[in-house]
Amino acid sequence: QKEVEQDPGPLSVPEGAIVSLNCTYSNSAFQYFMWYRQYSRKGPELLMYTYSSGNKEDGRFTAQVDKSSKYISLFIRDSQPSDSATYLCAMSGVQFYFGTGTSLTVIP
Amino acid sequence: DAGVIQSPRHEVTEMGQEVTLRCKPISGHNSLFWYRQTMMRGLELLIYFNNNVPIDDSGMPEDRFSAKMPNASFSTLKIQPSEPRDSAVYFCASATRGPPGNTIYFGEGSWLTVV
Repeated sequence: QKEVEQDPGPLSVPEGAIVSLNCTYSNSAFQYFMWYRQYSRKGPELLMYTYSSGNKEDGRFTAQVDKSSKYISLFIRDSQPSDSATYLCAMSGVQFYFGTGTSLTVIP
Repeated sequence: DAGVIQSPRHEVTEMGQEVTLRCKPISGHNSLFWYRQTMMRGLELLIYFNNNVPIDDSGMPEDRFSAKMPNASFSTLKIQPSEPRDSAVYFCASATRGPPGNTIYFGEGSWLTVV
């Protein structure tokens, strides 16, 4: 079983939609949870960073961590075409562990 | 602030040639990571340094790959000899401290094509 599982998509939504991206993980020792956004031909860019369980909001983005279910989510409200990218979840334990990424396209 | 700086951004080389990728981490960061990203396998950790010392190189695919960090502001990843299956994008990343705490910041990547 992989440490982190992420649905690769692709996900296509109309502009203005609410987007939900999710990851599951197997290691209960993970404490730090991150979301990265990666545009085509670019490096992953840190989007959100949370410690332990709970929600964190930053503008149109909300990161949610449920440690009891080993499940993390990223919500994007009022999605924009500029949100079209690949989103990678990540978490840290002994190492940093990354999901394979979900490709998102927001259609104008 | 300058981010993680990688060079070259793009490299096309012939099979058998030596390839050297370079990285300058963010100033003050004491952990440095080399990743390889492919469509099939996603992000794979190759090697991780802490305070210039290699901590975990279990992800280095084979002896053809080597990495060094001679000082806090410079690291190299070398492939010798290169093979077509090495074609991928290689990312360098740095952090103020390694796992489990803190988070890492990536460079823009070095796109390698071996023909």
